[in-house]
Amino acid sequence: DAGVTQSPTHLIKTRGQQVTLRCSPISGHKSVSWYQQVLGQGPQFIFQYYEKEERGRGNFPDRFSARQFPNYSSELNVNALLLGDSALYLCASSLDARSSYEQYFGPGTRLTVT
Amino acid sequence: GNSVTQMEGPVTLSEEAFLTINCTYTATGYPSLFWYVQYPGEGLQLLLKATKADDKGSNKGFEATYRKETTSFHLEKGSVQVSDSAVYFCALIPRGGSYIPTFGRGTSLIVHP
Repeated sequence: DAGVTQSPTHLIKTRGQQVTLRCSPISGHKSVSWYQQVLGQGPQFIFQYYEKEERGRGNFPDRFSARQFPNYSSELNVNALLLGDSALYLCASSLDARSSYEQYFGPGTRLTVT
Repeated sequence: GNSVTQMEGPVTLSEEAFLTINCTYTATGYPSLFWYVQYPGEGLQLLLKATKADDKGSNKGFEATYRKETTSFHLEKGSVQVSDSAVYFCALIPRGGSYIPTFGRGTSLIVHP
């Protein structure tokens, strides 16, 4: 089975622009989470979606938004990009949103804001 | 709030040496605990997990035991290989509530031949 896929792999944007990142979960997984990983740090939780509903939101500004589609794929949108948004954005899927279910991560999208 | 503390890296070892990477956590109740590994330029891969006290997670020669008394989940391997060089992340997912995961900062492991 295919793992979690993310697109694009790399992205370069200018301050003030908007970006959309995409994620396809493992087949059968209904929960998708988004993380921001700044160089040298652990992943920081942004959003979790389960069955198309937001189940959790981390400490990120309203410039960050996401949604989940009927096929369980997901998009992360970031508006009014800042230099500090440069990071690796990771998507993870799991069967369920509960704590006992491990998450499987995609390879990430490397976003550079100039 | 919840937190995960990992030992500072990098940890530098010779091949076949014993590995310990310390991880302690702060959380309400009894969270599920995980170790992930990240190779250069890649996303995170689940290494092992434990969902209740005294559970031992194991995979590829790595082990970690959920210690409720010391709120710890230290990662160990008896004999490391050069291919184990990577960054290791300890993480928790709380039970109940929002299930928001918390990751540690990561510990870099460098194994020399």
